[in-house]
Amino acid sequence: DVKVTQSSRYLVKRTGEKVFLECVQDMDHENMFWYRQDPGLGLRLIYFSYDVKMKEKGDIPEGYSVSREKKERFSLILESASTNQTSMYLCASSWDGASGSGDTQYFGPGTRLTVL
Amino acid sequence: QKEVEQNSGPLSVPEGAIASLNCTYSDRGSQSFFWYRQYSGKSPELIMFIYSNGDKEDGRFTAQLNKASQYVSLLIRDSQPSDSATYLCAVRGGYSTLTFGKGTMLLVSP
Repeated sequence: DVKVTQSSRYLVKRTGEKVFLECVQDMDHENMFWYRQDPGLGLRLIYFSYDVKMKEKGDIPEGYSVSREKKERFSLILESASTNQTSMYLCASSWDGASGSGDTQYFGPGTRLTVL
Repeated sequence: QKEVEQNSGPLSVPEGAIASLNCTYSDRGSQSFFWYRQYSGKSPELIMFIYSNGDKEDGRFTAQLNKASQYVSLLIRDSQPSDSATYLCAVRGGYSTLTFGKGTMLLVSP
């Protein structure tokens, strides 16, 4: 079974703190993704990576950065946390498949971040 | 920007009925479509994917795709209370990214 793990289920931080959210997958997936999910707004893509050290902006990258030094690990960084970054953060991974089940994204359990 | 539209619901059906969930998408060139289920407080989990026009069945679930109408649907037969969840439609983009709809909440009453 594919397993995607995230470093914390719940996290509380102060405004202005630097926050690291980590995601690890054990299936040798090429692609990894970070989303945030907010009521009424759905899942929105923040950043993704299709290879080690490669990263691409998603739909809402402002205020975030990412790091992928190893294939299995993808980190989301909030350089200076703000209250509007309070959200559920979900990591996902997938194979580099052009068709078939390779497109399927597998999600981690999520990190609920509260910024005070 | 790609858009994926879903009725937010809730869609309420009695136990044993067929639940029909619908999704439309804006990019006519889209090729791959996914249905995920998300229970409250949990992360999304894949139900099924579909690439070709027509129907694809997996147990009680049937996905239907009509590319000409830019329409994807999910039918759940013999709905159970355990099917109560939010159902997310997703469309593949470049680099295997997915654009998600906001989801439809399904409530199955005993």
